[in-house]
Amino acid sequence: AQSVTQPDIHITVSEGASLELRCNYSYGATPYLFWYVQSPGQGLQLLLKYFSGDTLVQGIKGFEAEFKRSQSSFNLRKPSVHWSDAAEYFCAVGNQAGTALIFGKGTTLSVSS
Amino acid sequence: DSGVTQTPKHLITATGQRVTLRCSPRSGDLSVYWYQQSLDQGLQFLIQYYNGEERAKGNILERFSAQQFPDLHSELNLSSLELGDSALYFCASSYTGKGANTIYFGEGSWLTVV
Repeated sequence: AQSVTQPDIHITVSEGASLELRCNYSYGATPYLFWYVQSPGQGLQLLLKYFSGDTLVQGIKGFEAEFKRSQSSFNLRKPSVHWSDAAEYFCAVGNQAGTALIFGKGTTLSVSS
Repeated sequence: DSGVTQTPKHLITATGQRVTLRCSPRSGDLSVYWYQQSLDQGLQFLIQYYNGEERAKGNILERFSAQQFPDLHSELNLSSLELGDSALYFCASSYTGKGANTIYFGEGSWLTVV
């Protein structure tokens, strides 16, 4: 069965510092992987996605993620965090059958000044 | 703006009542998904429709039902509401619902059951 683990429930990063949010997935075949962000009181906004090809994918707002099949990971990174990046981040896995995405529990990012 | 429209944005109702949440998918998208987000359960998939037909079912309670209409909008009906049904309900849409397609989410409908 598909599953997603986001090991960090809450992370605090200083503004301007780099960020890495961890995501590990469990899936028997090639997964489709997504990162979404949810600002307080807002919906889920797609940051980036991986379907195939280059394992380093670029997204919006300066985010990138790297698919590592050997580690079953899809970690999200940003070189310099802005205060507006404070939000909850969700990793999700999908499949070729197009059944619904399975989400991790999310990581809350706080940005300190 | 994802292009997925959900109404109402906020809803307060009493236990035992019934509510209907409405979703208009992005233009051209044929597949609609409903998710429930609560503090204790996280994001839970409820049900998926594709071009009017039910495609997949998740953790949807028997008191809940959904449908997708010929114009592709969808409604989620929640009945005999309980306090525990208070949550944020998301609708999402995608073009095909199969393969490498991207799922876009609406802003959600906040349901409070009192």
